[in-house]
Amino acid sequence: GNSVTQMEGPVTLSEEAFLTINCTYTATGYPSLFWYVQYPGEGLQLLLKATKADDKGSNKGFEATYRKETTSFHLEKGSVQVSDSAVYFCALISYNTDKLIFGTGTRLQVFP
Amino acid sequence: DAGVTQSPTHLIKTRGQQVTLRCSPKSGHDTVSWYQQALGQGPQFIFQYYEEEERQRGNFPDRFSGHQFPNYSSELNVNALLLGDSALYLCASTTQLLAGGFEQYFGPGTRLTVT
Repeated sequence: GNSVTQMEGPVTLSEEAFLTINCTYTATGYPSLFWYVQYPGEGLQLLLKATKADDKGSNKGFEATYRKETTSFHLEKGSVQVSDSAVYFCALISYNTDKLIFGTGTRLQVFP
Repeated sequence: DAGVTQSPTHLIKTRGQQVTLRCSPKSGHDTVSWYQQALGQGPQFIFQYYEEEERQRGNFPDRFSGHQFPNYSSELNVNALLLGDSALYLCASTTQLLAGGFEQYFGPGTRLTVT
């Protein structure tokens, strides 16, 4: 079945460091891929998305590229801020459904 | 434009009781999905409602049921609560993208604690 695997956290970085959070997926067909962010005590916010191979999603300095050959959608940011501290979820929707399948989440902690 | 809203924010129930959670989707969205997020885990799909019918269901027992009203708002009901039902319950409304595929917007969630 469809699944998403994320790197385990927490990821601890100093402000202005480079961020990578790895995400790989297993799916039939051509899924759409998403990154959601969850700040403490809040629900999920859509951070970025990509709907087909080689698409790059970007928002607020974060980027992720849909790599079909490696079934990956790694999240990157060139310079993190303390305010980026949150839990990040990689997710997919397979082509014939609108049910989201999530990874287990990766906690990011950024220190000044 | 109001986003997805959920009520109540927090709820404490005792084992064996029943609970009802409520959700109003984003304006213009007609599809509502419910997810359960246990502590430290990713959300798990419970079910989805469209045109007042359950369209898809995840791997959850029949104790979990729902309803959608003509104004697209939705309820999640859980009967015979277990300690393991303690979680954040998230509602999401869906829009279909012009470029294909779907996009879901989430509410802030209802934190259910079962004691």
